[in-house]
Amino acid sequence: NAGVTQTPKFQVLKTGQSMTLQCAQDMNHEYMSWYRQDPGMGLRLIHYSVGAGITDQGEVPNGYNVSRSTTEDFPLRLLSAAPSQTSVYFCASSYLVSGNTIYFGEGSWLTVV
Amino acid sequence: QQQVKQSPQSLIVQKGGISIINCAYENTAFDYFPWYQQFPGKGPALLIAIRPDVSEKKEGRFTISFNKSAKQFSLHIMDSQPGDSATYFCAVFSGNTPLVFGKGTRLSVIA
Repeated sequence: NAGVTQTPKFQVLKTGQSMTLQCAQDMNHEYMSWYRQDPGMGLRLIHYSVGAGITDQGEVPNGYNVSRSTTEDFPLRLLSAAPSQTSVYFCASSYLVSGNTIYFGEGSWLTVV
Repeated sequence: QQQVKQSPQSLIVQKGGISIINCAYENTAFDYFPWYQQFPGKGPALLIAIRPDVSEKKEGRFTISFNKSAKQFSLHIMDSQPGDSATYFCAVFSGNTPLVFGKGTRLSVIA
């Protein structure tokens, strides 16, 4: 049982480049989300999804796109990377019931130069 | 507007001492209050959680104290150990809305 798997672990991008951070979970969780973690800022929600075909914006959605074509996968796309998007990104998933444990991936370290 | 305020930002505790981290929230609709622990280079992991119908929950050396009227909850780590050194996040949750996290507390337990 792999849990929540994120790839890549590390990535360096040039300003203006695009890329996709991959997230997959094998627990049949309805709920999936993306957070970014910056020093002193905690975990801030970027986008989330409550099921295949349904996505919604979180606290800091600008510059990011998501889609949810399957229950298992929730990729995060940076269309035109900016230095302000240098961060650690975490994907998370859970069952869609109040109080259920949210499981996090191990993170993707992204640097935009 | 910050939905949950966490303090302190950092904490240094002697081995064997008690670590206390506090969180305050505004929205009385929140009904689930978890604490997450994060080690360097890893994702956060659920440590302990409480619902507002109880005032305290204990799991081993970790205890959540919950004060519904004051809209505050805290994490107490008894007999703190160097292996407890990590970043701790409180969070609040309501219905199907996503978890909202505090800004985190970096705990260092020194021998």
